Amino acid sequence: GAGVSQTPSNKVTEKGKYVELRCDPISGHTALYWYRQSLGQGPEFLIYFQGTGAADDSGLPNDRFFAVRPEGSVSTLKIQRTERGDSAVYLCASTSDFSHEQFFGPGTRLTVL
Amino acid sequence: AQKITQTQPGMFVQEKEAVTLDCTYDTSDQSYGLFWYKQPSSGEMIFLIYQGSYDEQNATEGRYSLNFQKARKSANLVISASQLGDSAMYFCAMRGTLDSNYQLIWGAGTKLIIKP
Repeated sequence: GAGVSQTPSNKVTEKGKYVELRCDPISGHTALYWYRQSLGQGPEFLIYFQGTGAADDSGLPNDRFFAVRPEGSVSTLKIQRTERGDSAVYLCASTSDFSHEQFFGPGTRLTVL
Repeated sequence: AQKITQTQPGMFVQEKEAVTLDCTYDTSDQSYGLFWYKQPSSGEMIFLIYQGSYDEQNATEGRYSLNFQKARKSANLVISASQLGDSAMYFCAMRGTLDSNYQLIWGAGTKLIIKP
């Protein structure tokens, strides 16, 4: 079966632009997480979905960041007016109700010039 | 607040030797889970091993074992008979309870380099 997929794998954009990062979780996984990993650091929690709703968005750094999961499967992380400090690898993970393990996608490396 | 501390930024180990990667944690939760993930240079996060706070025995998965000392709040990863392919970043992470939506709290990682 397919694992978690993320597109694009790399995204280079200019300061001030809008970007969308997509995550396709493992089929049937109800929980979906977004994390951000800056160079040389561990991941930091951004947002968690249980089904279609954002159950916890406490990790989003500011209101330029928004994420949706309209049908309870694919999720899109949206960043408005990107800043150079947004440059990082954005990781998506999904998990079933019956597993401890979060399965991670390969990440999207975002570079803001 | 939950916190994970990994005090070894980097380690060099000779191939075939065992290696211990340190992890200490802080939480006020009674129920929690501890994870180790491997992140090669390619970037994917690979699950290695899990230990639940109520598990009485230390977790083992092949060459990986977790030395869980609850009273000391430590969860060290032991890799036996290291291989060149073990060179990677290793992250310790803790999952909280339902109240924290099971999000993972991560340490800063340890970069492990296996020497031939």
